[in-house]
Formats: sequence, C-alpha cells, structure tokens
Amino acid sequence: AQSVAQPEDQVNVAEGNPLTVKCTYSVSGNPYLFWYVQYPNRGLQFLLKYITGDNLVKGSYGFEAEFNKSQTSFHLKKPSALVSDSALYFCAVRDTNSGNTPLVFGKGTRLSVIA
Amino acid sequence: DTGVSQDPRHKITKRGQNVTFRCDPISEHNRLYWYRQTLGQGPEFLTYFQNEAQLEKSRLLSNRFSAERPKGSFSTLEIQRTEQGDSAMYLCASSYVQGANTEAFFGQGTRLTVV
Repeated sequence: AQSVAQPEDQVNVAEGNPLTVKCTYSVSGNPYLFWYVQYPNRGLQFLLKYITGDNLVKGSYGFEAEFNKSQTSFHLKKPSALVSDSALYFCAVRDTNSGNTPLVFGKGTRLSVIA
Repeated sequence: DTGVSQDPRHKITKRGQNVTFRCDPISEHNRLYWYRQTLGQGPEFLTYFQNEAQLEKSRLLSNRFSAERPKGSFSTLEIQRTEQGDSAMYLCASSYVQGANTEAFFGQGTRLTVV
C-alpha cells in the first residue's frame, strides 16, 4: 500500500526567510510524487511533480522540491517566502507498481508566512 | 475551457435528504476522480472513471453513494439518505492519462453541510 506522511501540521516562517514543508512516503515500487497547494475556499492547485531524473524539481511560484530516495522524502522548499504563500500544502504519491491509480494524499501542512 | 467546474459550490441539506453534485472536467480529459476532504485532513479517494467506465471505488464509498459518468464527459455524485457524517468538501479532479506520471487538476469543490 502507498502512503504519505506530512509530519508538521503547521509551519511558521518570516517573510523573506527560506521555507521547508516536509513529506515522506511509502511505496512498494518507485514513487511518482506531487505537491499541491490549497488556498481558502479554493480547490487544489498543482505545484510540481517528481517522475524521474534530476532529484531537484522546480515548479510554480518559485517552489522546488528535492527527492531523496534513501530517506524516502520529498520536501517542498522555497528560498524566500512571501506572505501570499500562506496556504495549505499537500504532498501526494502514486506507486509505479500500482499502475495509474489515483493519488494518495497526506493530511496537509498549513504554512503561515508572517510579515 | 477554464478548468474543472463543480456545481453547486455549497449545499446545505437536512439529514435524510438526497443530494446530487455535478462535475465538468477539462475537455478531453479521460480520467475523472471524486475525493472527499474533511477539516484537517487531506483529500480521500472515493471513486474514479476512465471515460464512462467506473474503474475503482473506495471502501469509503458506502452503498448510499453512487457516481456516474454516462457519456464520458460530466459526472454526478449522489448521496442518498444523507447523514451528518457526510458533511465534507467533495472534490472532483480530471486528468488526461497517457502514463502513470500525469497530475490531476482539481475543481473548487462542493461543500456539503448536513444539518
């Protein structure tokens, strides 16, 4: 079975500082990994994905994520946080061994960027 | 086409009533997913369609829930004899599946409140 853990319910960071939102995964095969963001009263918006190749993936709004196979992690990062980055962030996984099955999501991490 | 559209955005219903939600996916997307999201949780998979065929149903989908995608375009999710525990955000997503690495695009959701 595939699963995702987001160990932090809440992350607070000052504007201009780097931010990290953590994600670890569990799959039987190899993972496809995704990050989504959800603003209040909005649906989930796709940020970036890791499929294969370079472990550092760049996505929308200046976000990037680093795939670490040995640590089974896919942490979301941004060098300089903005107040407008405050939102709910979800990590999701699909096991390549399970075919094209629906994404499995973590519980989410609420990011608050303080001016 | 501006994305995945869901209707209604909000629904308040009395316990025991039936409700139906509609989802219009992005044109030409062959996959359509239904998820449920409760407060403090990530999206939980309910069911999905490839074209008009319903390929998988989660154990979360009790026999009071039914979903259809009759012509392989829009989909409906019906909940019969609603219960207070059905109160949640119901999210629809779509994707064009060519391989297992495709991301899903989400609608803004239908928030159901059962009173």
